[in-house]
Amino acid sequence: QVQLVESGGGEVQPGRSLRLSCAASGFIFSSYAMHWVRQAPGKGLEWVAVISYDGSNKYYADSVKGRFTISRDNSKNTLYLQMNSLRTEDTAVYYCARDRRAVASGAFDIWGQGTMVTVSS
Amino acid sequence: DIQMTQSPSSLSASVGDRVTITCRASQSINNYLNWYQQTPGKAPKLLVYAASSLQSGVPSRFSGSGSGTDFTLTISSLQPEDFATYYCQQSYSIPYTFGQGTKLEI
Repeated sequence: QVQLVESGGGEVQPGRSLRLSCAASGFIFSSYAMHWVRQAPGKGLEWVAVISYDGSNKYYADSVKGRFTISRDNSKNTLYLQMNSLRTEDTAVYYCARDRRAVASGAFDIWGQGTMVTVSS
Repeated sequence: DIQMTQSPSSLSASVGDRVTITCRASQSINNYLNWYQQTPGKAPKLLVYAASSLQSGVPSRFSGSGSGTDFTLTISSLQPEDFATYYCQQSYSIPYTFGQGTKLEI
């Protein structure tokens, strides 16, 4: 069935790095734009980044621009989020989400289960 | 950035009730408005996209309407599984932004 499975979360100190992965299955991964969305504990949803179906276009929230990098490997059906210079305010559950279209429409129709990132000294 | 404001922030209702949640954008977003449902500990689920299009598999008791700056999500007859938090989200421009959420409680 259509599925997204995130991994790579954990606890890390401020200023350190972490890379999240999202493995896709059950659909043609290379045909869809993909997003990362996060949710701080007890808070609402915050869109983080998007990448087009072929990786040619990437956009970021201002809160992560210059620190996070979204990428994808269509041969491995996997989405990534490289997070550098982590801050305590980056603590959240990180979800990968499929866009409804190849070029981002901004509607997220399939979500992973999320992976928790805790930034703490 | 486009700011999305939902009302109410929380709502008490009973099984069988008709419920309406409102979402307002800080500028016109045409019909680029999506609604999600989230239950505790779970990922959000897309209910409605493009303001009024029901996502495949979503029960017909859910409906969305509106355009420009004002939008509504209506649940025609609440079921026990509908008690959750609902978020609106604009997809008119990046950065995509969400409302603060509406918690629907018994």
